[in-house]
Amino acid sequence: GAGVSQSPSNKVTEKGKDVELRCDPISGHTALYWYRQSLGQGLEFLIYFQGNSAPDKSGLPSDRFSAERTGGSVSTLTIQRTQQEDSAVYLCASSLGGGGASNEQFFGPGTRLTVL
Amino acid sequence: AQSVSQHNHHVILSEAASLELGCNYSYGGTVNLFWYVQYPGQHLQLLLKYFSGDPLVKGIKGFEAEFIKSKFSFNLRKPSVQWSDTAEYFCAVTLYSSASKIIFGSGTRLSIRP
Repeated sequence: GAGVSQSPSNKVTEKGKDVELRCDPISGHTALYWYRQSLGQGLEFLIYFQGNSAPDKSGLPSDRFSAERTGGSVSTLTIQRTQQEDSAVYLCASSLGGGGASNEQFFGPGTRLTVL
Repeated sequence: AQSVSQHNHHVILSEAASLELGCNYSYGGTVNLFWYVQYPGQHLQLLLKYFSGDPLVKGIKGFEAEFIKSKFSFNLRKPSVQWSDTAEYFCAVTLYSSASKIIFGSGTRLSIRP
């Protein structure tokens, strides 16, 4: 497709369950980013991939959060033992991966996660 | 650490009024600067961007922003707002030199009275 896609668009889960969120970046983009947007915290960075490796994981809020990227393309963000404070919109973005204009990030529509 | 400050949390204007939203960033190196907009119920969209060159940047829907390096500022402006500009606006910064995370400001909610 032409843009970044994310699935599912909405996810409702019960506290304590694990969830997986998927991101398909723009074809040819080597850099992939996860962010989340929540009422109390605004927009915050979670993790950044360059190819399949993650040079910056500094934004992951706890060890319940993990992410992987395979084949330099699709990425999955996994949240284990979900808590109500994990409720947020999870955004994925991709870029060409260099500096300057190559660092422009294109955002997907997000996955709205609700933990009951 | 890098940070972005948006001093106006909620701005209320009447249609046809002029708009200026403040944004200051904290970082000593060269940066890329962005303004994003999020309309009610919609996802994040890029409004305008600055990488280098002319510090006055024009974006979509009549918005513009001016990068003033000495003030570490990137204020957003529009000469005459419309009701459809009601949205939340986020200022953001990344490093210029390499791929890097976006640091977002806390956002400014703009409400336009028809």
